[in-house]
Amino acid sequence: DSGVTQTPKHLITATGQRVTLRCSPRSGDLSVYWYQQSLDQGLQFLIQYYNGEERAKGNILERFSAQQFPDLHSELNLSSLELGDSALYFCASSELLTGELFFGEGSRLTVL
Amino acid sequence: DQQVKQNSPSLSVQEGRISILNCDYTNSMFDYFLWYKKYPAEGPTFLISISSIKDKNEDGRFTVFLNKSAKHLSLHIVPSQPGDSAVYFCAAEGSGGSNYKLTFGKGTLLTVNP
Repeated sequence: DSGVTQTPKHLITATGQRVTLRCSPRSGDLSVYWYQQSLDQGLQFLIQYYNGEERAKGNILERFSAQQFPDLHSELNLSSLELGDSALYFCASSELLTGELFFGEGSRLTVL
Repeated sequence: DQQVKQNSPSLSVQEGRISILNCDYTNSMFDYFLWYKKYPAEGPTFLISISSIKDKNEDGRFTVFLNKSAKHLSLHIVPSQPGDSAVYFCAAEGSGGSNYKLTFGKGTLLTVNP
């Protein structure tokens, strides 16, 4: 158990819909990261937050947005969903801006 | 543009033998490298890391080697055990403050046969 909690574990929805994925970081960790793992792809970095502020952005689509709340949990919002958005979405946390990441078990999104 | 490459999607090894997983990177700004292991239905977990000021780091059965001139690193597992069967991700990061991000390769599926 990494201490990072992601909900929901599985989600099935239709194209055009919007979903929200939730992440609670390890206690004491200030940094939260979101990664996407599609079929045959590695972990693609989406976005990083540190203590409520966006710190780094990767290959995140404009249809996607994220935020980190004062209690340090984070949400990843995916809208106007397309079939290609079906993937595993991982949240990870770390104490500081760098170093070892601790990953959640992932949220598997299926868009039909 | 894939900055971290794991060119072998899979590797099969006999129990007790050495497993060697390879990783190449293109960004010379990377200065810290990590290996993560991932079992099915679980998130990746940290395995071992190495800073660019070193060329080797060892932790039990796991050793990571870094060749900066070749922009290549490898993970050696010896002796390999069936429980090591998992997907191994190579990852790299560079200093840069607000531009920090950990870049992962696509992973190598290691199967250790009893």
